[in-house]
Amino acid sequence: DGGITQSPKYLFRKEGQNVTLSCEQNLNHDAMYWYRQDPGQGLRLIYYSQIVNDFQKGDIAEGYSVSREKKESFPLTVTSAQKNPTAFYLCASSRQGSTDTQYFGPGTRLTVL
Amino acid sequence: QKEVEQDPGPLSVPEGAIVSLNCTYSNSAFQYFMWYRQYSRKGPELLMYTYSSGNKEDGRFTAQVDKSSKYISLFIRDSQPSDSATYLCASKGGFKTIFGAGTRLFVKA
Repeated sequence: DGGITQSPKYLFRKEGQNVTLSCEQNLNHDAMYWYRQDPGQGLRLIYYSQIVNDFQKGDIAEGYSVSREKKESFPLTVTSAQKNPTAFYLCASSRQGSTDTQYFGPGTRLTVL
Repeated sequence: QKEVEQDPGPLSVPEGAIVSLNCTYSNSAFQYFMWYRQYSRKGPELLMYTYSSGNKEDGRFTAQVDKSSKYISLFIRDSQPSDSATYLCASKGGFKTIFGAGTRLFVKA
């Protein structure tokens, strides 16, 4: 089955720690995205990548970092510089092109203890 | 002003009712419009995708876009308890997609 997988489903972090969220897709999509979802707010774009070895900051990139070494993978690191990291994180992918819609993974719930 | 505005609800209806969900957007450059359904603690699932003004129907779901008033609607006929979820509208112009905050829908059996 083609799709997007995210792991882990739940993640707990102590203050001051960096954590990495995994996102893998086997849809052969060129573009991948990371969003953050908080209650009562729309999805906010953290980073996106249109092609391997290239990525761009979204609206709320501070305190986050990404890499895109393989087409299938787009991991997100939440660093200790992110002051309010507790949220639901969603990864998405799409084919290249302005007409293509995004398909989402199941999400990772990150909680800071 | 947010680029895509959506009433958060919650909206509660009896089973079998017709549901109307709505969004407004502010950017005239948006040309593509989507509706996603999101169950609790799950990722959003694409329901409908439309281009420009007009209606698009898929089973019990109808998406409607009125570009003159910058208004997007999703109608659900014969609503079922399994339709209980959060519905996100989204608008796309160029590469960027802007999402509404979502409307929570409860369909009571």
